[in-house]
Amino acid sequence: RKEVEQDPGPFNVPEGATVAFNCTYSNSASQSFFWYRQDCRKEPKLLMSVYSSGNEDGRFTAQLNRASQYISLLIRDSKLSDSATYLCVVPPKGGYNKLIFGAGTRLAVHP
Amino acid sequence: DTAVSQTPKYLVTQMGNDKSIKCEQNLGHDTMYWYKQDSKKFLKIMFSYNNKELIINETVPNRFSPKSPDKAHLNLHINSLELGDSAVYFCASSLHRGLSSYEQYFGPGTRLTVT
Repeated sequence: RKEVEQDPGPFNVPEGATVAFNCTYSNSASQSFFWYRQDCRKEPKLLMSVYSSGNEDGRFTAQLNRASQYISLLIRDSKLSDSATYLCVVPPKGGYNKLIFGAGTRLAVHP
Repeated sequence: DTAVSQTPKYLVTQMGNDKSIKCEQNLGHDTMYWYKQDSKKFLKIMFSYNNKELIINETVPNRFSPKSPDKAHLNLHINSLELGDSAVYFCASSLHRGLSSYEQYFGPGTRLTVT
């Protein structure tokens, strides 16, 4: 099993839609989780951090399910500008500085 | 104001050549990283330096040699370039302290093409 697995997509949704991505991880000892966003031909940027059961920031909600070892990212009221690849990141336990990136889920929001 | 900058942005070179990529950050961070993103878009860490000390050294051919002259700069030198080295190389920086180390800021990337 890969350390971090994501559905590669693409998810094609209309503006205003709600879309959710899942990410599964293999290390049950992982404590912190992150979503990074990467626009086409750009650098990754931190979107959200998840240290407990979840986090919410405006239209974005991240939830953690430790029992099933997955985290999800929910985007409400999708905007054209949300089109990007969303990278799930799970650091190894105790491995400060080291990030393990998933392959990413591509989202395309259309008018 | 650019937080993490890299030069060059594009690099096209022939097999067997030696090339360097430079990175600088003005965020006051003490830890810097090199990542490689291949054609399948996987982003993998290669090296990390904390205050000029190498703290992460993943399984990378020894043709790749990082150097950190100070905590604001991290360079990557690649000897005897091979076709498989073609990728986008990202520099990143963060604080070293605990959870802050996971909040990394990336440079714009250097797109290396080896012909």
